[in-house]
Amino acid sequence: SSDLTQDPAVSVALGQTVRITCQGDTLRSYYTSWYQQKPGQAPVLVIYGKNNRPSGIPDRFSGSDSGNTASLTITGAQAEDEADYYCNSRDSSGNHVVFGGGTKLTVL
Amino acid sequence: QVRLVESGGGVVQPGRSLRLSCAASGFTFSSYAIHWVRQAPGKGLEWVADISYDGRNKYYIDSVKGRFTISRDNSKNTVYLQMNSLRPEDTSLYYCAKQLPGRGSYYDYWGQGTLVTVSS
Repeated sequence: SSDLTQDPAVSVALGQTVRITCQGDTLRSYYTSWYQQKPGQAPVLVIYGKNNRPSGIPDRFSGSDSGNTASLTITGAQAEDEADYYCNSRDSSGNHVVFGGGTKLTVL
Repeated sequence: QVRLVESGGGVVQPGRSLRLSCAASGFTFSSYAIHWVRQAPGKGLEWVADISYDGRNKYYIDSVKGRFTISRDNSKNTVYLQMNSLRPEDTSLYYCAKQLPGRGSYYDYWGQGTLVTVSS
C-alpha cells in the first residue's frame, strides 16, 4: 500500500491562484485524480490523468505532476470553489486505490 | 444521464451483516469497473473495494478482506457489497463510483451514498 499526503487546510483570497499538493511515492508510477467535495454532497471529479478536465469543470482548474508530487491549481479562485479536495491514485501494487487525507480550501 | 443509486444501509449491531446495492443506469454498465468508497463521519475518503467490468477481478482494502465481498449482476445493472462481521469502525457513508476506462483510479460518477452505522 501507499500513503498520499495532503496539507489539511489551505486558504486563498478571492480571485487569486492557489495550489493544492499531493505527495506520495506511488505518484512516480501512476497519475492522480482530484475530487471536490462540498458539505453534504458526493465528491466530484475535477482533474484526472495528465491534466484532463471532465465536461463542465471550469478551466480555472488544472493539474500537474513532478516526481512524487501532484498539484491541483485553481487560477482565479471563486467563492464556490470553497470545498474539500482529495487526490487519489493506485498504490504500488496497482491493484488498490489510495486517497489523500484531503485539503480544506477556504476562499477569503 | 448516468445515475448511481446506493441502498441497503442502516443501523446494525457489531458482528452482524448488511448487503449494500448500487443500481446503475444511463451507461453500458457491463463495460465499466465499479468501486465502493466510504467516508466516516467528519473524515476523509477511503477506498473499500472494486470489481472489474466482467466481475472476474475483485480487490479489497486490507481492513475488510475476508469480511466484505463485492459482486455484480450485469443483467440487473447492479453491484453489491456484502458486509459481514461488521465493526464499529465500518460506520461510514458508503458511495459507489464508476471508474473511467483504463487503469487509472478515476471516478467520473458517484452515487449519493448510503449510511451504515455499526453500533450496539
